[in-house]
Amino acid sequence: DAGVTQSPTHLIKTRGQQVTLRCSPKSGHDTVSWYQQALGQGPQFIFQYYEEEERQRGNFPDRFSGHQFPNYSSELNVNALLLGDSALYLCASSLDAGRGETQYFGPGTRLLVL
Amino acid sequence: GDSVTQMEGPVTLSEEAFLTINCTYTATGYPSLFWYVQYPGEGLQLLLKATKADDKGSNKGFEATYRKETTSFHLEKGSVQVSDSAVYFCALSDQDQAGTALIFGKGTTLSVSS
Repeated sequence: DAGVTQSPTHLIKTRGQQVTLRCSPKSGHDTVSWYQQALGQGPQFIFQYYEEEERQRGNFPDRFSGHQFPNYSSELNVNALLLGDSALYLCASSLDAGRGETQYFGPGTRLLVL
Repeated sequence: GDSVTQMEGPVTLSEEAFLTINCTYTATGYPSLFWYVQYPGEGLQLLLKATKADDKGSNKGFEATYRKETTSFHLEKGSVQVSDSAVYFCALSDQDQAGTALIFGKGTTLSVSS
C-alpha cells in the first residue's frame, strides 16, 4: 500500500514566478492538508481539502491556493513567489472520521526561491 | 488562538538515558494530542497520540499522557537509543474548528550518543 506521495521532491524558482506542487493521498483517504515548514521550525497549516472543497484555512495569503480532484489527489499553487516562501511543503492525508484521526505525511517538496 | 509550546532544544543524551520532552498546549475546545517524529531528510511520522483526557499514548517505548488539568502532553522514554536521534514535534487538533488542522510546536531536536 503506497503512502502519501508528493512531486516534485525539489524545486528551484525565482521571485515572482508561480509554482504547483502535487500530492497523492494514502489509499482510502479522502482529506488532504498542506503545511509549510521553514528551516528549523514546526510545520504551519496552510489549508485542508475535503470533498473537493477548501474546508479550513490557516493564516496564509491568497497567493496560496489549492485544489482537490475527484480521486482525492491535490495541488498546492503559489503565485508571485517571495524569497520567504522557501521551505519544505508537506502534504498530509487522513480519513475524515474525527479529530483523533491520524494525518499521514508525505516526504515533502523542498522549494527554494532565488 | 490555539498553540503548542515545547521545551527548547537541542537535547543531548547518552544511550540508555531517560528522556523527557515537555509539551503544553492552549486550546479553546478539547483537542486531540499528537507526537510526531522527523528523521533527517524525511517527512513526519506519527509516534503516538491521545484523544481524551487521561489517555496514555505509547509506541516504540515512548509514552505520553494527556493531562487536562495541566494542559500538558509530555513525551517520555525510559532508555533512549542512538536511532532515536531526530526532531520531535508536539501537535494538537482542536475539535472547535471546522477541519482537523494540526497545530505544531517548534520541535525539539534530540541527539543520542553511544
